[in-house]
Amino acid sequence: DTTVKQNPRYKLARVGKPVNLICSQTMNHDTMYWYQKKPNQAPKLLLFYYDKILNREADTFEKFQSSRPNNSFCSLYIGSAGLEYSAMYLCASSRLGSSAETLYFGSGTRLTVL
Amino acid sequence: QQNVQQSPESLIVPEGARTSLNCTFSDSASQYFWWYRQHSGKAPKALMSIFSNGEKEEGRFTIHLNKASLHFSLHIRDSQPSDSALYLCAVSPYGGSGNKLIFGTGTLLSVKP
Repeated sequence: DTTVKQNPRYKLARVGKPVNLICSQTMNHDTMYWYQKKPNQAPKLLLFYYDKILNREADTFEKFQSSRPNNSFCSLYIGSAGLEYSAMYLCASSRLGSSAETLYFGSGTRLTVL
Repeated sequence: QQNVQQSPESLIVPEGARTSLNCTFSDSASQYFWWYRQHSGKAPKALMSIFSNGEKEEGRFTIHLNKASLHFSLHIRDSQPSDSALYLCAVSPYGGSGNKLIFGTGTLLSVKP
């Protein structure tokens, strides 16, 4: 079962408040990713965990935090939401951390910041 | 910084047509080249990938890669209404850990019965 689950499907947040998005996978994959997608833009990689090691992209380094308490679960944390964080957030996992590996995506969480 | 561009932005074709989607990239050291498909409200799902120059066929879908031209494409034979979706091309950069896919903005395909 190649399933990545994301909760909730829709999330409303207030400017300046924290946001926590949740992702889980049951495939025992080593690597988990978070992408941000805005309308008419390409999905943008924010960060990924390779096993227990967090890798954050340089241009989003200070905006997003993440945790992976076990192999199956990964969260994305925004400390203080701004209007620019409104987007679809896609979680994905891959079996190993190599460029040959297929990424399996969840259906996403649509975050709206008001 | 890798730049991935897709064309066209959207496409409407009749059922049974052959459909061609294009993707260009800027980093010649890129390793793997992917097509993902996302039906409305669903998760993006990998369709096909290719590593070396040439063609690869899986059913009605063919992926073609020309690294020298920094171009790859997806061809759909006998397009079906169920093929209507957002098609995202993606490139795996060389080196490092993880498969840090860099995506294009997508082509929205509509296949009319």
